[in-house]
Amino acid sequence: QSVLTQPPSASGTPGQRVAISCSGSSSNIGTSDVYWYQQLPGTAPKLLIYRNNQRPSGVPDRFSGSKSGTSASLAISGLRSEDEADYYCAAWDGSLSVWVFGGGTKLTVL
Amino acid sequence: QVQLQESGPGLVKPSETLSLTCTVSGGSISSYYWSWIRQPPGKGLEWIGYIYYSGSTNYNPSLKSRVTISVDTSKNQFSLQLNSVTPEDSAVYYCTRDDHGFDIWGQGTMVTVSS
Repeated sequence: QSVLTQPPSASGTPGQRVAISCSGSSSNIGTSDVYWYQQLPGTAPKLLIYRNNQRPSGVPDRFSGSKSGTSASLAISGLRSEDEADYYCAAWDGSLSVWVFGGGTKLTVL
Repeated sequence: QVQLQESGPGLVKPSETLSLTCTVSGGSISSYYWSWIRQPPGKGLEWIGYIYYSGSTNYNPSLKSRVTISVDTSKNQFSLQLNSVTPEDSAVYYCTRDDHGFDIWGQGTMVTVSS
């Protein structure tokens, strides 16, 4: 059971906007920044969003992050087939003194 | 650009020690935190622990009694040792740099615990 809760799956058609939620608690998302990672099949995860809503260089602006209270969300607009991947949220948990991850959301582009 | 490469045995016997090394190329190991993260087949990500280039460490409490992470700045490497392994420790092990998130990852190395 992961400390951060994500839906196991999400889907959308090309061009659509999809959102993936990540729910935590006051000891992690409530007091720490949220990070999002994209893992394409058979590859290492890639940093997609840092500090809640910042995009690393090279990440398209179709990807955006937000945080409110103890929840966060990753939005992908203009969905493309190459966005089909697993997405993980992460945050530092100050009570456990550990980086915690969500269980991952498998995004399918129909 | 900075690249990370894990190396070590792909097969470890139960009760023995898993040892992996991460080599940092294209940049210095100094001034950053470096983490190990693992992913069992078909499952999610688990943070194992980090080391600062100066040698200070922080481990996941669930693994703390069995984990040691060390750094060799002269070789631009950091290493993971996990003692008393069981089949539940079978996973892809990633080394990462922690700079505003885990911004650089190695390709990962699969370690299987089996007799």
